[in-house]
Parts: sequence; C-alpha cells; structure tokens
Amino acid sequence: EADIYQTPRYLVIGTGKKITLECSQTMGHDKMYWYQQDPGMELHLIHYSYGVNSTEKGDLSSESTVSRIRTEHFPLTLESARPSHTSQYLCASSGAGVDTQYFGPGTRLTVL
Amino acid sequence: EDKVVQSPLSLVVHEGDTVTLNCSYEVTNFRSLLWYKQEKKAPTFLFMLTSSGIEKKSGRLSSILDKKELFSILNITATQTGDSAVYLCAVDNYGQNFVFGPGTRLSVLP
Repeated sequence: EADIYQTPRYLVIGTGKKITLECSQTMGHDKMYWYQQDPGMELHLIHYSYGVNSTEKGDLSSESTVSRIRTEHFPLTLESARPSHTSQYLCASSGAGVDTQYFGPGTRLTVL
Repeated sequence: EDKVVQSPLSLVVHEGDTVTLNCSYEVTNFRSLLWYKQEKKAPTFLFMLTSSGIEKKSGRLSSILDKKELFSILNITATQTGDSAVYLCAVDNYGQNFVFGPGTRLSVLP
C-alpha cells in the first residue's frame, strides 16, 4: 500500500490568502509530482521534482510554487489565491527504475 | 511533444457487457505504460506494461501493449456497476515525467 499523504483534504478560503498544500511520502521516492484536476476533467501536471533541490514546471502553467528541501516532503504554495485556483490538487511520487506513480488522496481547494 | 490519446472519451454500457478501452501514445523515450482507475478521488493503479504482447490480467480486467503500433488496450469483461469510473492511461517517458491521457469515462448501467 502506498504511503503518500496530503493535507488538508478540503480547504475553503477567501481570495488573496496565501496557502500551502502539504504532500509527504514515506517510501523514499526521489520523484514527486503535483497535478491539478478540475471536476470531470483530465489531470494536468503543474510541477515535478527529481530529488532534493530539484523542481521543474509541468505542462500546465500555474501560479503556484513548490519546494523540495527534504526527499519526503513536496509542498505547493499559492501566494495569493484566486477563484480560478479552485480545483483538486493531486500529489504523486514514484521510485527509481520502472515504477508506477503512487497518488495521494488529493486536496480539494475552493477559493471564494 | 509527448502525447497520449484515449478513445472513446466516454462510454455507456449495461451490466454484463464487455468493453475495450484504447490508448495510443507518442513519446520520445518510452519506458512503460500504466492504466489507472479513478472514481471520485485519486487514481488507483491497475496495470503497468513494459513489453509488447504480454497480457496482464486481474480478475475481469486485462491489458496488453503493442510497442510497434504504439498502443494499448484495456478490456473489462462482464462489466458491473462498480466498474463505472474514469480510466486513465499514462506513459512513463523514461523517468522525465508521466504523460497522462484525457481518460475514458465509463458508465455501467444496471
């Protein structure tokens, strides 16, 4: 069973607030990913990391930022949330070699 | 640009029917193809395929990969209402990242 966690699971906040979505995994995976998914829509990669101090932007432009100071932790930050950021955010990780991605439970964000 | 295409995008069947979901891909460095099932929350892993022609089975689900024609199929036999979900196909492009298709939304009616 995958050990990847996201907090909070649900978040409702007002416009302009700074928020951080937490993601952590206990599998020692080097690679971690953030996806954004609107209801009923496809997954879009917004950030990924190959290891500590390595972060890259994904295919979908995002106003969020990420950091990777520790292997197990890959937080995503929105400096000033807007209603257009309302979405589900999924974190995933994968190990070395041929491996699947393991997904966290997701954070459903609503910005009013 | 790496791309994964799935068809159909949406499918409605009745319980007991057999369905075939398609996934084709164009990636620069193919390592593996993965199938996921997504119900309400995060995708859950179904299969990983790395070699052509070797069928993977799990209960009523099976999948096979054709690396020459660059596609994979996911078969579900004797469908049940619990099979209703979005089925995602993703390709691992040699560790750079995973490229996901748009998914096939399957609805199984009683």
